[in-house]
Amino acid sequence: GAGVSQSPRYKVAKRGQDVALRCDPISGHVSLFWYQQALGQGPEFLTYFQNEAQLDKSGLPSDRFFAERPEGSVSTLKIQRTQQEDSAVYLCASSLAGALSYEQYFGPGTRLTVT
Amino acid sequence: RKEVEQDPGPFNVPEGATVAFNCTYSNSASQSFFWYRQDCRKEPKLLMSVYSSGNEDGRFTAQLNRASQYISLLIRDSKLSDSATYLCVVFREVRGAQKLVFGQGTRLTINP
Repeated sequence: GAGVSQSPRYKVAKRGQDVALRCDPISGHVSLFWYQQALGQGPEFLTYFQNEAQLDKSGLPSDRFFAERPEGSVSTLKIQRTQQEDSAVYLCASSLAGALSYEQYFGPGTRLTVT
Repeated sequence: RKEVEQDPGPFNVPEGATVAFNCTYSNSASQSFFWYRQDCRKEPKLLMSVYSSGNEDGRFTAQLNRASQYISLLIRDSKLSDSATYLCVVFREVRGAQKLVFGQGTRLTINP
């Protein structure tokens, strides 16, 4: 069956550009998570949605980062005025309900390079 | 200090060997514990949950020590296909906000 999909898979942006990263979760999954993974590090939590409600955005590194999930399915992570330190893989994960009860399924990630 | 600490390795071991990884976590409010596996340039995938009583899945054994805030993973009779990065993960929920916290990962290479 279809897993979590993300697009684009690769994105090169010039410093100062805005980017938008898309996540299509598994159909019917209530919870959606965004993570940032720098080279050689584990994923770092960015934000969490339950349906369309953003319940936790404590991991967003600055106000240049914004995420939305307006209809409770597809989510977009937007980064404004990209900086070199934003270069990383951005992973999206979804789960049937909360993170405790059900496995999180990860998408393949979007590799962002800011030049 | 990171909330979840792992030795990043790399660990290089011969095929058939037994290898053990350890992980410590600092937040005593952590509720659940997992090992994830991540292959090079791929997404993380759940390997197994970790319980205080210890749990085994084939060649893999995981153990949790809540008193010491310590998690372990043992791989017996290692295969070439076990080469990957192993991520120690803790879950906690605070006022309805749920979060998985990942360690840095331990890189394992199994040599023929």
